[in-house]
Amino acid sequence: AQSVAQPEDQVNVAEGNPLTVKCTYSVSGNPYLFWYVQYPNRGLQFLLKYITGDNLVKGSYGFEAEFNKSQTSFHLKKPSALVSDSALYFCAVRDMGGYQKVTFGTGTKLQVIP
Amino acid sequence: GAVVSQHPSWVICKSGTSVKIECRSLDFQATTMFWYRQFPKQSLMLMATSNEGSKATYEQGVEKDKFLINHASLTLSTLTVTSAHPEDSSFYICSASEARAGLDNEQFFGPGTRLTVL
Repeated sequence: AQSVAQPEDQVNVAEGNPLTVKCTYSVSGNPYLFWYVQYPNRGLQFLLKYITGDNLVKGSYGFEAEFNKSQTSFHLKKPSALVSDSALYFCAVRDMGGYQKVTFGTGTKLQVIP
Repeated sequence: GAVVSQHPSWVICKSGTSVKIECRSLDFQATTMFWYRQFPKQSLMLMATSNEGSKATYEQGVEKDKFLINHASLTLSTLTVTSAHPEDSSFYICSASEARAGLDNEQFFGPGTRLTVL
């Protein structure tokens, strides 16, 4: 069974400071990893994904994530946080096998303080 | 990019009535669509997976007769909440995947539908 853990319910960061939202995963095979952002009463917006290749993945709105196989982690990062980045962030994983089921983490609320 | 729409975006209904939510892939053919449910301040829970032209596969604990899913075409899937009760109030999100050779089967999400049952 695949699973995702987001250990922090909320992350607070000052505007302009770097931010990190943590994610660890567990799959039986090789993972597809995703980050999504959700604003209040909205659906999910895709930020970035890792499939193969470079461990550092760059995505939308200046976000990036680093795939670390040994630590089974895929932390989301941004060098300089904006107030508009405040939202709910979900990490997700899918096994590279044929079944397309995606498992989501519990979400991390990011609060950027002006 | 691939766009998925949902209709309605929000709906309020009386207890005991049925509500239909539509999910459409606007610029691609979705061979597989997924329906999720999200409770306040919680993650997305997969309810069912539907493949065009076949019966949906429901996750454990999801009532098939209560949450009817139809995926009759490559661009449309519907979720009908039958005999809705207040505990069915939730945010329902669909996603769609275009399974063609060479693609990584990425899922594209709709904007969600807020259902409130009075």
